[in-house]
Amino acid sequence: AQSVTQLDSHVSVSEGTPVLLRCNYSSSYSPSLFWYVQHPNKGLQLLLKYTSAATLVKGINGFEAEFKKSETSFHLTKPSAHMSDAAEYFCVVSESGTASKLTFGTGTRLQVTL
Amino acid sequence: DAGVTQSPTHLIKTRGQQVTLRCSPKSGHDTVSWYQQALGQGPQFIFQYYEEEERQRGNFPDRFSGHQFPNYSSELNVNALLLGDSALYLCASSLEPSGYNEQFFGPGTRLTVL
Repeated sequence: AQSVTQLDSHVSVSEGTPVLLRCNYSSSYSPSLFWYVQHPNKGLQLLLKYTSAATLVKGINGFEAEFKKSETSFHLTKPSAHMSDAAEYFCVVSESGTASKLTFGTGTRLQVTL
Repeated sequence: DAGVTQSPTHLIKTRGQQVTLRCSPKSGHDTVSWYQQALGQGPQFIFQYYEEEERQRGNFPDRFSGHQFPNYSSELNVNALLLGDSALYLCASSLEPSGYNEQFFGPGTRLTVL
């Protein structure tokens, strides 16, 4: 069975400061890991994905995440937050191979203040 | 290139009724997955269709059923609606049911059950 735990339900940062959204995963097999973002009244958009290649993954809009197998973590970071980053972020796990069911975390709401 | 489209956008039903939601996948995609997102929660996997067959199913009762057509479009049917079925229903498409492949999400259908 696979599962994801997002350690913070809400994170608030000032514009221009770093962002850290934390995620731990559990998977019986070699997992694929994703971060998706959901802006209000908009669909889910893929930020980045890890599929057993490089452990440091770069995504869109300056986001990146590092896969740490020993810690079963896949934290999302960005050096400098922008007002447009305010949204709901989901950490997602999928087992590799033909089992492509996505298991979502409960989400972290990112608030960016001036 | 059209992305994933869903219809209708919003729907209001009463308890006990039946509903059908529709999804057209992104061009070139042959796999469709359905997710239910309750308010304030992460999406939960309902089922996935590939080659017109249900390939995987999440923990949803038999009241939830689906279909995939030869053109890869899909329908989600829910019978005997309950108040708890009120949610945003998301459709996602991908190229083959592989855990490595990104799933592209549609904007969703907001279902309200009164």
